[in-house]
Amino acid sequence: DTAVSQTPKYLVTQMGNDKSIKCEQNLGHDTMYWYKQDSKKFLKIMFSYNNKELIINETVPNRFSPKSPDKAHLNLHINSLELGDSAVYFCASSQLRGSEKLFFGSGTQLSVL
Amino acid sequence: GDSVTQMEGPVTLSEEAFLTINCTYTATGYPSLFWYVQYPGEGLQLLLKATKADDKGSNKGFEATYRKETTSFHLEKGSVQVSDSAVYFCALSDNQAGTALIFGKGTTLSVSS
Repeated sequence: DTAVSQTPKYLVTQMGNDKSIKCEQNLGHDTMYWYKQDSKKFLKIMFSYNNKELIINETVPNRFSPKSPDKAHLNLHINSLELGDSAVYFCASSQLRGSEKLFFGSGTQLSVL
Repeated sequence: GDSVTQMEGPVTLSEEAFLTINCTYTATGYPSLFWYVQYPGEGLQLLLKATKADDKGSNKGFEATYRKETTSFHLEKGSVQVSDSAVYFCALSDNQAGTALIFGKGTTLSVSS
């Protein structure tokens, strides 16, 4: 059983399209995150939800919209995709808000052509 | 703001060599410090942590000591294996609710037999 699963694993799309990445965790954790990893492996927090409430919203274009239908799911929708959005997007969860032990999904590699 | 600086990679070693990956941090309070590891094609996993000065975290033969006087948390292993090839991330938590881990830029380790 995968603890944090995200789909799809690979996403190749054209500029201007809208796409979604889904994330689910079966750990019973209250907090979920989206991180973006660029081509140089730099990892940056984008969003965090605690019990469906947005608690971290870093400086991210408003083309990116997270949605948490329940505390086990955190999806990421991206409108009007741009070349610079190409990256690996990681979902993660933690038991407590501000907890340091994160459980990561295996990533979604997004390529915008 | 808080930040983490890691040595630039890649680090290339032969099997059984000694490993050091340097990490220094800047923080206003009393952070907790972590090393995460990312194996190829996977998400990050917590490797070890230390929550206060002079604590030593250890796991799988890796060690790191929280040095407040030098604001460092260097990762060491006495004898690396090919299976240790991965990207290593130093990270910091300011232990405040509503904040996320801050990661360094990652150091790629490649071990050859």
